[in-house]
Amino acid sequence: SQKIEQNSEALNIQEGKTATLTCNYTNYSPAYLQWYRQDPGRGPVFLLLIRENEKEKRKERLKVTFDTTLKQSLFHITASQPADSATYLCALGNTGANNLFFGTGTRLTVIP
Amino acid sequence: DAGITQSPRHKVTETGTPVTLRCHQTENHRYMYWYRQDPGHGLRLIHYSYGVKDTDKGEVSDGYSVSRSKTEDFLLTLESATSSQTSVYFCAISESRGTSGSNEQFFGPGTRLTVL
Repeated sequence: SQKIEQNSEALNIQEGKTATLTCNYTNYSPAYLQWYRQDPGRGPVFLLLIRENEKEKRKERLKVTFDTTLKQSLFHITASQPADSATYLCALGNTGANNLFFGTGTRLTVIP
Repeated sequence: DAGITQSPRHKVTETGTPVTLRCHQTENHRYMYWYRQDPGHGLRLIHYSYGVKDTDKGEVSDGYSVSRSKTEDFLLTLESATSSQTSVYFCAISESRGTSGSNEQFFGPGTRLTVL
């Protein structure tokens, strides 16, 4: 079965620096990959989607890359702010499939 | 939370009792999902629906059943709750699935269920 790993359970970073989160997967060939943000006590919120034929996607201070050879996605937050502190989840999906497979998440803390 | 409500938000019950969680949406989205979220496991799909009266099993469906009699409501039932079903349950909706759309999912606020 598919396995999705997010680099670390927790990541602390200084305000203003770039945060880089990793999502690795095995036993799966996703057609697309999504990133979600989850705050404590709340449901995940969709941030970005990147498809298998795309190398990079940007949205404001967010950048996502997708390397299907390495089976890895990198999620970057530039000029990080304390308000970016949250848990970030990656999710894989496939064409024709209804469901997503989620990673366990990385808890990011941006220190002022 | 994109017009999705879940009820109840918190519930404590005893082993062996039936429990029903409700998800209600006002977005008229076709697809609805039930997930559970546990430490170390992330979000895991229990059941999903692709239309009224159309449902299918997810990754961890044992011990759960669902029903969807109206577009806006998706019910998750634990016929006889067990302690292993203590978890946070999230409902999600999406307008499209992976074929043509992005399957971007919108999540409800969650239900924290404790089975003693």
